[in-house]
Amino acid sequence: DTEVTQTPKHLVMGMTNKKSLKCEQHMGHRAMYWYKQKAKKPPELMFVYSYEKLSINESVPSRFSPECPNSSLLNLHLHALQPEDSALYLCASSQEFKDYSNQPQHFGDGTRLSIL
Amino acid sequence: AQSVAQPEDQVNVAEGNPLTVKCTYSVSGNPYLFWYVQYPNRGLQFLLKYITGDNLVKGSYGFEAEFNKSQTSFHLKKPSALVSDSALYFCAVRDMSGGSQGNLIFGKGTKLSVKP
Repeated sequence: DTEVTQTPKHLVMGMTNKKSLKCEQHMGHRAMYWYKQKAKKPPELMFVYSYEKLSINESVPSRFSPECPNSSLLNLHLHALQPEDSALYLCASSQEFKDYSNQPQHFGDGTRLSIL
Repeated sequence: AQSVAQPEDQVNVAEGNPLTVKCTYSVSGNPYLFWYVQYPNRGLQFLLKYITGDNLVKGSYGFEAEFNKSQTSFHLKKPSALVSDSALYFCAVRDMSGGSQGNLIFGKGTKLSVKP
């Protein structure tokens, strides 16, 4: 069983809808990540939060808005998405972002998003 | 720039035979290398990592990987493949450069198919 929990597992939305993806971890990790993954491709980094502050935004369009309410939770707010945004959205966490002990990232099972 | 290459899109192996999934890397400085596996409709699961020390690293589910500095390789191996090992495998290197320090750079992935 994964230690990073993502909800919902599936989401279908229209281009004018507003929805949110949620991610939760209780491992005491201080770094959390959002990735976008297309079928049979590697994950693409979108955002990194370190100690609840946004550390990296990989030039993601503003229709994706991340939020980190506390050290255990990470949200991704969606608005006015495009069909090309249909993908698997993965959340991950690690002990620290600049982690010199090099502990691995732990991934959730993702939210499969379909934009109509 | 740091990069990871997985030269094979797909590897086919008969059950019970040894398997190898190849990975080569290009980094400045010491590499921090990881293998992840992704089963259908799941997130990425950490298998093993190389940071320093023994060149042969043992990981989950009977997998191991051999770090070869002269060949800049980190091939994933298993002595006897199982049908349940069929999945998508990603090699990754930790980006240790500048502001991206801490990111994972993924290879394109290799689909492993184990036939009975």
